[in-house]
Amino acid sequence: GDSVTQMEGPVTLSEEAFLTINCTYTATGYPSLFWYVQYPGEGLQLLLKATKADDKGSNKGFEATYRKETTSFHLEKGSVQVSDSAVYFCALRWGAQKLVFGQGTRLTINP
Amino acid sequence: DTEVTQTPKHLVMGMTNKKSLKCEQHMGHRAMYWYKQKAKKPPELMFVYSYEKLSINESVPSRFSPECPNSSLLNLHLHALQPEDSALYLCASSQSVTDTQYFGPGTRLTVL
Repeated sequence: GDSVTQMEGPVTLSEEAFLTINCTYTATGYPSLFWYVQYPGEGLQLLLKATKADDKGSNKGFEATYRKETTSFHLEKGSVQVSDSAVYFCALRWGAQKLVFGQGTRLTINP
Repeated sequence: DTEVTQTPKHLVMGMTNKKSLKCEQHMGHRAMYWYKQKAKKPPELMFVYSYEKLSINESVPSRFSPECPNSSLLNLHLHALQPEDSALYLCASSQSVTDTQYFGPGTRLTVL
């Protein structure tokens, strides 16, 4: 079945560092890809999405490009802030199938 | 506006209690979802409603009973829960079952 694999966490960075969180997927169809973020004690917020190959999703300085050839959707940000500390979930969905999540990556940014 | 609201924010209940969780959206979405999230895990799908009809039940125990009284409202009725049911319960909605899901803030449930 469809699956998502994220890099193991937790990830700890200093403020203004460059961030990459790796995400790869396995899917039989042509899924849409998502990054959701969960701040402490809150629900999930949609961070960005891409619906087809070579699409780039972007929001709040975060970017991810849908790479069909490498089945990847890595999340990047050029300069992280303390307020970016959260858990990040990569997810995919193909048609009306259920949303498939990765295990989540906990990110901590130190001042 | 992509807001999904959930009440209550926190709920503590005994194993013999009956309680309900409420979820509301005013985006005109016709698909609504219940998820359960345990600590340090991704959300797990419980139920899907499409056009106010239950379309998916992920083999959830009958002590959880969903209800969709209208297109904006989704309830989850709880009865005779177990301590292992303690979790964050998330509601989500989407335009249709093929569209992007937007999540609410969740209800933190503790079963004593």
